[in-house]
Amino acid sequence: DIQMTQSPSSLSASVGDRVTITCRASQGISNYLAWYQQKPGKVPKLLIYAASTLRSGVPSRFSGSGSGTDFTLAISSLQPEDVATYYCQNYNSAPLTFGGGTKVEIK
Amino acid sequence: EVQLVESEGGLVQPGGSLRLSCAASGFTFSGYWMYWVRQAPGGGLVWLSRIKTDGSSTTYADSVKGRFTVSRDNAKNRLYLQMNSLRAEDTALYYCARGPHYSNYPFPADYWGQGTLVTVSS
Repeated sequence: DIQMTQSPSSLSASVGDRVTITCRASQGISNYLAWYQQKPGKVPKLLIYAASTLRSGVPSRFSGSGSGTDFTLAISSLQPEDVATYYCQNYNSAPLTFGGGTKVEIK
Repeated sequence: EVQLVESEGGLVQPGGSLRLSCAASGFTFSGYWMYWVRQAPGGGLVWLSRIKTDGSSTTYADSVKGRFTVSRDNAKNRLYLQMNSLRAEDTALYYCARGPHYSNYPFPADYWGQGTLVTVSS
């Protein structure tokens, strides 16, 4: 099974800061990597698929990159509404494992 | 508008069974793979299972293999999760989610239900 490891598990940054979250797959998954945002008490929301394709309606301050085993989610200018937990997921090779999540807070 | 609505969960004793259902609307249900995902209180997302458009193929996480069964009724636009031999560690919020269209495979979960809470306790 493919394991997905996210880092850091949590971070605190100031409004306007650039924030990056990394996700590492235990085996190559090409670009079959998705990023989700889950705000407190809410349902997860798909942000990015195919490692770097922004879902329609997602603010352009979010971006994704990577291929193979190493992936990154970046928020170019952190906003208060970005407070959430972010998850990566391998969505091609079953089991379709999620990373452990990264909790993003405002400093 | 795509909508996924899970049936009510509930309190189940260890070793018991429960069947969840998910009512889909706003899209051609029979054309999409479907997923179940769960989230323990304060925990992360855990993928549980997927089912192909026609129900001919199913896959499970090791943690539920042999205990949970996913199925679907395309005529009723419903997804199901039969959960047997429930354990305390199965306590979680259970989400159904829409997977890829058969013509756009693979694709992640793009719409999610609101989730239903299942509590396994004596």
